[in-house]
Amino acid sequence: SQQGEEDPQALSIQEGENATMNCSYKTSINNLQWYRQNSGRGLVHLILIRSNEREKHSGRLRVTLDTSKKSSSLLITASRAADTASYFCATLEYGNKLVFGAGTILRVKS
Amino acid sequence: ETGVTQSPTHLIKTRGQQVTLRCSSQSGHNTVSWYQQALGQGPQFIFQYYREEENGRGNFPPRFSGLQFPNYSSELNVNALELDDSALYLCASSFQGLNTEAFFGQGTRLTVV
Repeated sequence: SQQGEEDPQALSIQEGENATMNCSYKTSINNLQWYRQNSGRGLVHLILIRSNEREKHSGRLRVTLDTSKKSSSLLITASRAADTASYFCATLEYGNKLVFGAGTILRVKS
Repeated sequence: ETGVTQSPTHLIKTRGQQVTLRCSSQSGHNTVSWYQQALGQGPQFIFQYYREEENGRGNFPPRFSGLQFPNYSSELNVNALELDDSALYLCASSFQGLNTEAFFGQGTRLTVV
């Protein structure tokens, strides 16, 4: 079973716009991670936010975490066509296993 | 490039057959995890190996088994293949710890016919 849900399931924006994806989860976590996947291939780690952190930045990425609401958001600013991909959030559960959501498909039109 | 390599990249098998998928971990990593990703879904945890021992298992039947070798490379074996086993199989290597990131290979696309 999957931990949570990403919202929206699909997002289509113009190049240069910002993209926001949300993730909800169900259990207590040690950290939450975001990954990108291009064309059904391997996942690329984007950012990890620990349970005691509220916000983290990496380049054009901004991640927030609200443990009281069991939710996280990923913001990609000034999007580019190369950002077109599927984005997954994942939580680290007991046993060091990552539990992924179903993902958000992002399409950036040039 | 993550340094994690998987082979083969694509594979077609017949229902009832057995398959072995291989993964070479990133240098310095002692943990390898395997995930199954069906089309349109997120990856699902199969199991994890740490220092050659199984260190956690997801909701998969015993016909899914694995090995980790002293050089931390790993194999995923699936017996008695079923049509629903068709998926992308992903290997991830990491260093054991709570707040470490996992590095994924490009996956093996298995089709069972």
